[in-house]
Amino acid sequence: NAGVTQTPKFQVLKTGQSMTLQCAQDMNHNSMYWYRQDPGMGLRLIYYSASEGTTDKGEVPNGYNVSRLNKREFSLRLESAAPSQTSVYFCASIRTQAFFGQGTRLTVV
Amino acid sequence: DAKTTQPPSMDCAEGRAANLPCNHSTISGNEYVYWYRQIHSQGPQYIIHGLKNNETNEMASLIITEDRKSSTLILPHATLRDTAVYYCIVRVSSYNTDKLIFGTGTRLQVFP
Repeated sequence: NAGVTQTPKFQVLKTGQSMTLQCAQDMNHNSMYWYRQDPGMGLRLIYYSASEGTTDKGEVPNGYNVSRLNKREFSLRLESAAPSQTSVYFCASIRTQAFFGQGTRLTVV
Repeated sequence: DAKTTQPPSMDCAEGRAANLPCNHSTISGNEYVYWYRQIHSQGPQYIIHGLKNNETNEMASLIITEDRKSSTLILPHATLRDTAVYYCIVRVSSYNTDKLIFGTGTRLQVFP
């Protein structure tokens, strides 16, 4: 039982480059979430998806897009990366409790 | 904005009980209180949750005041491995889904 799997674990981007962070869960949960965590701070909600085909903005959505093509997968896309997006990104899926992935450490230079 | 308030840091001696307080004065009647912890930079780990009644599991106990405006997470016998950041979260329910909005948490340091 893998739970929530994120790829990649580490990534370095140059300013202006684009990339997609992948997240998959095998628990058949409807709700999935993307958070970012900056050093010394708590997690901030970027986007969430209540079910397949639906997405909604969280606290800090600017600069990001998401896609929920099926129940299992929820991806986060940075179209034009900026240094301010250097952070650790966590994906989660929720039913009664939230299950988090191991995180993606992204550095934008 | 986060709906909870926690002290930024606490210390606890190994083997003693760690009592972590949380204020959630604007909580609504159907909103649950959740506790998670984060060790180093790993993904947050679920600890316990509750609505009105006190709850206990193998990891911790959760005491919620009668007016539900505050709660306390109790680690009965803290170990060095309990050193982590502990987040008290109110699960916000909207028309189609629930959200977990994190605050800044309490950094618990367990010392020998």
